[in-house]
Amino acid sequence: DAGVIQSPRHEVTEMGQEVTLRCKPISGHNSLFWYRQTMMRGLELLIYFNNNVPIDDSGMPEDRFSAKMPNASFSTLKIQPSEPRDSAVYFCASSQGGNYGYTFGSGTRLTVV
Amino acid sequence: RKEVEQDPGPFNVPEGATVAFNCTYSNSASQSFFWYRQDCRKEPKLLMSVYSSGNEDGRFTAQLNRASQYISLLIRDSKLSDSATYLCVVNTPDSGYALNFGKGTSLLVTP
Repeated sequence: DAGVIQSPRHEVTEMGQEVTLRCKPISGHNSLFWYRQTMMRGLELLIYFNNNVPIDDSGMPEDRFSAKMPNASFSTLKIQPSEPRDSAVYFCASSQGGNYGYTFGSGTRLTVV
Repeated sequence: RKEVEQDPGPFNVPEGATVAFNCTYSNSASQSFFWYRQDCRKEPKLLMSVYSSGNEDGRFTAQLNRASQYISLLIRDSKLSDSATYLCVVNTPDSGYALNFGKGTSLLVTP
């Protein structure tokens, strides 16, 4: 299996622009998670899906952030408009659920200037 | 109060040393526990699950103390390649399948 695939690996954008991050989970995993990692706050859960349905989006910072999972093999996280404080590494992870741990993608390093 | 707390370190130890990390969690109803490892500028990777009876994987031993709500990771005979950040991870029933991550403890093993 190719693992969890995220794109792009790096994104540099100007403040106010729309940013879309993409994730392909491991086939057969029914849970998908979006996390954000910064030095100050560590890994923070933004949103997670179970069987393509959003279960908990309480970690989404504000309305500028939105996430979708149109099918079992694809998810997006969109930031519109982006701000410099959104600069972070965004990780997608998938899991079989239950007491299994996650498998993370390689992350998208986002810089908003 | 953060749900999972760890000493950020860094822990600097010589090769061959034994090093232990502790982690505390706030929710007594937590059910699943893990240690993840994260190398610099890489994604976190599952190191091992932590079971109530304690468990060992080679040089690594994980223990859980439910009464005191802490988890430990012991690394014996440390190698240069063990240098990384170790993340303590806890699942709580009210978070569904979501995992709560500590901010990590940094380990540097020196020659």
